[in-house]
Amino acid sequence: EAEVAQSPRYKITEKSQAVAFWCDPISGHATLYWYRQILGQGPELLVQFQDESVVDDSQLPKDRFSAERLKGVDSTLKIQPAELGDSAMYLCASSLAVAHTDTQYFGPGTRLTVL
Amino acid sequence: QQQVKQSPQSLIVQKGGISIINCAYENTAFDYFPWYQQFPGKGPALLIAIRPDVSEKKEGRFTISFNKSAKQFSLHIMDSQPGDSATYFCAAMEYGNKLVFGAGTILRVKS
Repeated sequence: EAEVAQSPRYKITEKSQAVAFWCDPISGHATLYWYRQILGQGPELLVQFQDESVVDDSQLPKDRFSAERLKGVDSTLKIQPAELGDSAMYLCASSLAVAHTDTQYFGPGTRLTVL
Repeated sequence: QQQVKQSPQSLIVQKGGISIINCAYENTAFDYFPWYQQFPGKGPALLIAIRPDVSEKKEGRFTISFNKSAKQFSLHIMDSQPGDSATYFCAAMEYGNKLVFGAGTILRVKS
């Protein structure tokens, strides 16, 4: 069964350092999402791509966060500089995007700890 | 702003019992209501979903009940099993907008 791949699974960094997360969606999925899940809360959308274009980045802290999906396949989410409050699980998801109700398939996530 | 309110925060059920998780929303433009199941160390996985034109949807031991007038929907897990122990999230989506998640319910099924 095809799965969304993410790496690394865990990342520990010091504040003010740069971090990057990678996501490889399910083959053929045009829509890719990055979510942040703070411990004890539900996932919150950071950015949504349709192919290589950003559809929604209204909740992305653009002063420190950036995301790209250059060839419309895999994607990278970067934080620079990291702050203590960025400690969370970062989840990537993908969907076929034929309809807005298409199932979003989530990867295992990257757990970020900022010291 | 919490657009989907989920309760309870945690739930303990005996094996074989019924687990019930409730969610409420305000935005009447929501037209898709999925439930996700998340095990520790894993990403959420779609469990079951409903559109507002039906009042109930059942898939195996999992049932969604939907009350459009009250703007509430709930997940019922019949014959709960220890393997059902996980965190459950309700969510809602409006056409052309993003998926909004509830805060989650930690379910523990005691054997």
